Amino acid sequence: GAVVSQHPSWVICKSGTSVKIECRSLDFQATTMFWYRQFPKQSLMLMATSNEGSKATYEQGVEKDKFLINHASLTLSTLTVTSAHPEDSSFYICSAGNFRGQHTEAFFGQGTRLTVV
Amino acid sequence: DAKTTQPNSMESNEEEPVHLPCNHSTISGTDYIHWYRQLPSQGPEYVIHGLTSNVNNRMASLAIAEDRKSSTLILHRATLRDAAVYYCILSSRSGNQGGKLIFGQGTELSVKP
Repeated sequence: GAVVSQHPSWVICKSGTSVKIECRSLDFQATTMFWYRQFPKQSLMLMATSNEGSKATYEQGVEKDKFLINHASLTLSTLTVTSAHPEDSSFYICSAGNFRGQHTEAFFGQGTRLTVV
Repeated sequence: DAKTTQPNSMESNEEEPVHLPCNHSTISGTDYIHWYRQLPSQGPEYVIHGLTSNVNNRMASLAIAEDRKSSTLILHRATLRDAAVYYCILSSRSGNQGGKLIFGQGTELSVKP
């Protein structure tokens, strides 16, 4: 299967600072990348859909000014959590695929655990 | 998005088959049935998917009911490494929906040695 890598695997930041999480497709060009958030003992919640070269589409209730998503190339998307607060502490996961005929399923990164102190 | 219903948890013994059910009575004609699993503190892993016919791969088999309102993921011989949360997800291929997955609560599978 295709490989998606996230960096960092975990990060601790101070309240009020911003933190950037990277999602890379290592062996394919990702036409679409997705960002999810998962709180302990809960399921994954889709935050936004990002198509290369376009603005991200955010799910209802997700603040686009707080969770900045950039998908500037076919192999990289970034999620920046701005002015992070303790309630933003969560497991952030990206998925990616080439849905213009190459892939029929999405491939997930290993996740990034964010702790805001 | 069409919803799925899965049992919250299931138990299995090692080296025995496991049948994980999923109900999706509101499935539409363009919905594919996907199964992913998630081990603790990891991203989900693709298991299998299908549309109408039963599917087999090296990880599992997917049995789809004739009316497509339910499906069953079959692990032929459970191992301890199969202990995970298994998600059954409907994904539409219509329009620009490729790869978009809406996760339910899933089934937490525990495997006893």
